[in-house]
Amino acid sequence: ETVMTQSPAALSVSPGDRATLSCRASQSIGTNLVWYQQKPGQAPRLLLYRTSTRATGVPARFSGSGSGTEFTLTISSLQSEDIAVYFCQQYDNWPFITFGQGTRLEIK
Amino acid sequence: QLVESGGGLIQSGGSLRLTCEVSGLSVRNTYMSWVRQAAGEGLEWVAVIFGGGSTYYANSVKGRFTLSRDNSRNTLDLQMNSLRVEDTAVYYCVREVHDYAGIAGFDPWGQGTLVTVSS
Repeated sequence: ETVMTQSPAALSVSPGDRATLSCRASQSIGTNLVWYQQKPGQAPRLLLYRTSTRATGVPARFSGSGSGTEFTLTISSLQSEDIAVYFCQQYDNWPFITFGQGTRLEIK
Repeated sequence: QLVESGGGLIQSGGSLRLTCEVSGLSVRNTYMSWVRQAAGEGLEWVAVIFGGGSTYYANSVKGRFTLSRDNSRNTLDLQMNSLRVEDTAVYYCVREVHDYAGIAGFDPWGQGTLVTVSS
């Protein structure tokens, strides 16, 4: 099983600043990575797929990069509505998909 | 739109059947999955059914859970037997998106249904 490890577990960022979230795979997954955003009390929402392709309606301040085992989700200028938990997901071993444990993003 | 139902409180060893009512797309032609989330925890993929009807399960539920679909009702059903305390979670019904280049994530997600297994 491919284990996904996200860091940090929690991140505090000031409005307007850049937020950088990391996701590491226990083995190479190419660019088979997805990011989700989950706000309190809501279901997760698709953000990025194939490492860096934004889903419909996702603002351009969200971007993704990486390949192999190291991946990054960057929010270029944090807005208050970006406060959420962010999960990464690999599908290299599809259909046996695994998720990271999440990074909680907070406003400083 | 995906709407889950069937969650509730059940004793360990018992059974529950979750249903996902699907609108706006046909379950017959779609990869559909269940994903669960224990309170305050991360996400865990549970099972998938392919457009052709094949099913796959996470090791944690294999042999206990059965995923099926009803094409006429356009619904997805997750039969959960021999439930354990560790199966306690919100269960989400999701569509797996496939485009010209391959997999494009889970979208949309239902609102989830809570399953609580007591000891």
